Amino acid sequence: SQQGEEDPQALSIQEGENATMNCSYKTSINNLQWYRQNSGRGLVHLILIRSNEREKHSGRLRVTLDTSKKSSSLLITASRAADTASYFCATRLHTGGFKTIFGAGTRLFVKA
Amino acid sequence: DSGVTQTPKHLITATGQRVTLRCSPRSGDLSVYWYQQSLDQGLQFLIQYYNGEERAKGNILERFSAQQFPDLHSELNLSSLELGDSALYFCASSDQYTGELFFGEGSRLTVL
Repeated sequence: SQQGEEDPQALSIQEGENATMNCSYKTSINNLQWYRQNSGRGLVHLILIRSNEREKHSGRLRVTLDTSKKSSSLLITASRAADTASYFCATRLHTGGFKTIFGAGTRLFVKA
Repeated sequence: DSGVTQTPKHLITATGQRVTLRCSPRSGDLSVYWYQQSLDQGLQFLIQYYNGEERAKGNILERFSAQQFPDLHSELNLSSLELGDSALYFCASSDQYTGELFFGEGSRLTVL
């Protein structure tokens, strides 16, 4: 089963609005990462948050991590049509060779 | 450009056949990960190598095998192919300190 589960599965918003995606995971983690994938392309790393951090910012991205609830959220502010993509959270586990497990992703569609 | 190279980009073959996918990691990265992404699905972790040794195993079928060579490139071998093996196969290498993954553009396998 997937370690990470994103919510919602799909999200459609207007340009300029904020988009929030959530991720829940099951086991203890070393860090949590968010990736973006344009259709059929390789994934691109967006931001990493360590297990001892609670919030991190990068440009229009804001990530929070709540280890007590085993959840994270990704906020994209002032969205643009170019933000249309799938977004995945990935958890780097403490054990098993530090393997990184991906959730099923959230498909974001930003309408111009 | 992530620095990770995957070949071939596209591959069409028949059921029962065997194929080999190749990956060259970013310069300096010792870890290589293989993931499978079926149509509109999340990424399934297959296997991880670190400096030539298998480090972690995920949902990899017995028909599939992989190895990492002394020059750190890796190959994923898929045999006795079935229609359901049609997917995008991604290779990634990781930063040894953060675990951030750098993805290749993937190999799209179509089994007819």
